[in-house]
Amino acid sequence: AQSVTQLDSQVPVFEEAPVELRCNYSSSVSVYLFWYVQYPNQGLQLLLKYLSGSTLVKGINGFEAEFNKSQTSFHLRKPSVHISDTAEYFCAVSARSGGYQKVTFGIGTKLQVIP
Amino acid sequence: DAMVIQNPRYQVTQFGKPVTLSCSQTLNHNVMYWYQQKSSQAPKLLFHYYDKDFNNEADTPDNFQSRRPNTSFCFLDIRSPGLGDAAMYLCATSSGEVNEQFFGPGTRLTVL
Repeated sequence: AQSVTQLDSQVPVFEEAPVELRCNYSSSVSVYLFWYVQYPNQGLQLLLKYLSGSTLVKGINGFEAEFNKSQTSFHLRKPSVHISDTAEYFCAVSARSGGYQKVTFGIGTKLQVIP
Repeated sequence: DAMVIQNPRYQVTQFGKPVTLSCSQTLNHNVMYWYQQKSSQAPKLLFHYYDKDFNNEADTPDNFQSRRPNTSFCFLDIRSPGLGDAAMYLCATSSGEVNEQFFGPGTRLTVL
C-alpha cells in the first residue's frame, strides 16, 4: 500500500516571495506523482504530474516540482507567489494496488498568500 | 471543451431523506470515481467504476450506493443521509495506466 505525507498543513507566505510545499510518499512499487490545487467550493485541478523522465516537472501557473527518488519526495515550488495562488494543494500518488491503479491523496496544504 | 459536470452544485436535504447526486463526462473515460471530502481533509474514495465493474472501498458505508447506466453518467445515491454525511462530493474520471484524474466542480451536500 502507498501513503502520502504533506508535512505542512498551512503555509503563510508574503506576496512575491518564493514558496515550497513539501510532499513525501512511500510505496513498494513504482509510482506516478501529482499535485492538484483546490480553490474554495471547487473541484481539484491538476497542477503538474511526474510520470517518467526528467525529475523536474513544470506545471500551470508557474509551479514546478522535483521528483527525488532517493528521498521519496515530490516538493512543489513557485519562485514568486501571487494572491491568486491562495488555495489548498494536494499531493497524490498513483500506484498499482489490488489489481488496479489506485490514487492516494495527502491531507492537503493550505497556502495563504499575504498582501 | 471536454469536461466533468456535476449537478447540482449545492444540495440541501433533510435527515433521512434519500438524495441523488449526478455526474456526467464528455471525456469518454472508462473509469469514474466518487469521493467524499470533508472540511480540511483529503478526498476519501467511496467507490469507482472500471467500465461497468463496480468497486466498493471496504470502509464505504452501505448507506452509499452508485449507478452507472452508461459510459457518460454516474450517480451517487445516499439512502438515508445523516448529519455526518454533510460534505463535498467529488466525481472524477480517468483512463489508461497512469490514472491521472479529472475532477468535476463538486456537489456540496448539507443535511438538516
